Amino acid sequence: DIVMTQSPDSLAVSLGERATIACKSSQSVLYSSNNKNFLAWYQQKPGQPPKLLIYWASTRESGVPVRFSASGSGTDFTLTISSLQAEDVAVYYCQQYFSTPWTFGQGTKVEIK
Amino acid sequence: QVQLQESGPGLVKPSETLSLTCTVSGGSMSTYYWSWIRQPPGKGLEWIGYIYYIGTTNYNPSLKSRVTISVDTSKNQFSLKLSSATAADTAVYYCARDADGLLDYWGQGTLVTVSS
Repeated sequence: DIVMTQSPDSLAVSLGERATIACKSSQSVLYSSNNKNFLAWYQQKPGQPPKLLIYWASTRESGVPVRFSASGSGTDFTLTISSLQAEDVAVYYCQQYFSTPWTFGQGTKVEIK
Repeated sequence: QVQLQESGPGLVKPSETLSLTCTVSGGSMSTYYWSWIRQPPGKGLEWIGYIYYIGTTNYNPSLKSRVTISVDTSKNQFSLKLSSATAADTAVYYCARDADGLLDYWGQGTLVTVSS
């Protein structure tokens, strides 16, 4: 199984400030034949199911605000919220879909400072 | 807009089989995979397995010996059975549309507690 490790486990950021979450996979999730990273990011608010934010490591899902951006390749990835809003308080998960079983990071809880 | 809804007992006795159904509306089940994911209270996400609309399955090896996922496209439903349940199986169970690994539509989830 590919192990996904996120850091930090939690972070508190002031409104309007930047929040950055890292995700590392135990093996590369870059598929060489199409040069795509099989890495997604999800947002889970309390009492709700996860919501797909980002796929192919950096492509925003339709309707996701532009303040959410992501980057990385191979084994190291980052999700950035450029200007934290109150509605962004949530737990964020990375997920690899390079090979089954699909696996998730342990989650990063983002709060307001 | 695709919608998914989980249904089934919220309480299961230890050693019994946990059974849930996911009903899909607003779209066809064709050409997609359909996954089950679970989340123990206060913890992270664990993918259980998926079924392709024609019935091909793929299970997480950690649960493979106890899991069965089936599909009934005539009813727009797919189902999960997890045998020999223990307290460790207590979790919110989600169903989701699986677009080659991207879980793009999710049900609201249903809490299943394993307890006598």
